[in-house]
Amino acid sequence: KAGVTQTPRYLIKTRGQQVTLSCSPISGHRSVSWYQQTPGQGLQFLFEYFSETQRNKGNFPGRFSGRQFSNSRSEMNVSTLELGDSALYLCASSLPPASGGTYEQYFGPGTRLTVT
Amino acid sequence: GENVEQHPSTLSVQEGDSAVIKCTYSDSASNYFPWYKQELGKRPQLIIDIRSNVGEKKDQRIAVTLNKTAKHFSLHITETQPEDSAVYFCAASGTYKYIFGTGTRLKVLA
Repeated sequence: KAGVTQTPRYLIKTRGQQVTLSCSPISGHRSVSWYQQTPGQGLQFLFEYFSETQRNKGNFPGRFSGRQFSNSRSEMNVSTLELGDSALYLCASSLPPASGGTYEQYFGPGTRLTVT
Repeated sequence: GENVEQHPSTLSVQEGDSAVIKCTYSDSASNYFPWYKQELGKRPQLIIDIRSNVGEKKDQRIAVTLNKTAKHFSLHITETQPEDSAVYFCAASGTYKYIFGTGTRLKVLA
């Protein structure tokens, strides 16, 4: 079974621009979560989607948004990029019980975003 | 807010020795506690996990213990090998989200 894939793998953007990152989960997985990883802050939770609905979100400004499609693929968007948005953006997929029980997450390789 | 504290931030051990990494969580609703290993330039890989109804779990050289009353959980690696060198993250999962610790950089010295 293919793993979680993310595109693109690397991006260089300029301050003020916007960016869209894509995540394709493991086949059959319906939950996708997004994380920002930086050397100083570790892995910070952005949001989680299940069946096209955002079920939870972390403490990030509204410039960070996401969505999930009917095939479970997910995108996240960052508008008005700032230098501090430079990070590795990871998505993870899982096959959770619909009622929200415990579940294992599997990570994609990440998208390295550099904002200049 | 919810957070997970992880200690130590760096850990150096001699090959063959044991390594212990400790985490403390704040959200009482957390019921699932995975550990991830991340090698340089690679994605985090799930290495072991434990659910709230279990106190200890072991898989070959690695084990995890959970003390729900104290909100502590720990990763134990025995007979460490150079390939164990990586950054290890603990996490606590509650309602549709994971909260990660800040990571422990483990160096196994040959």
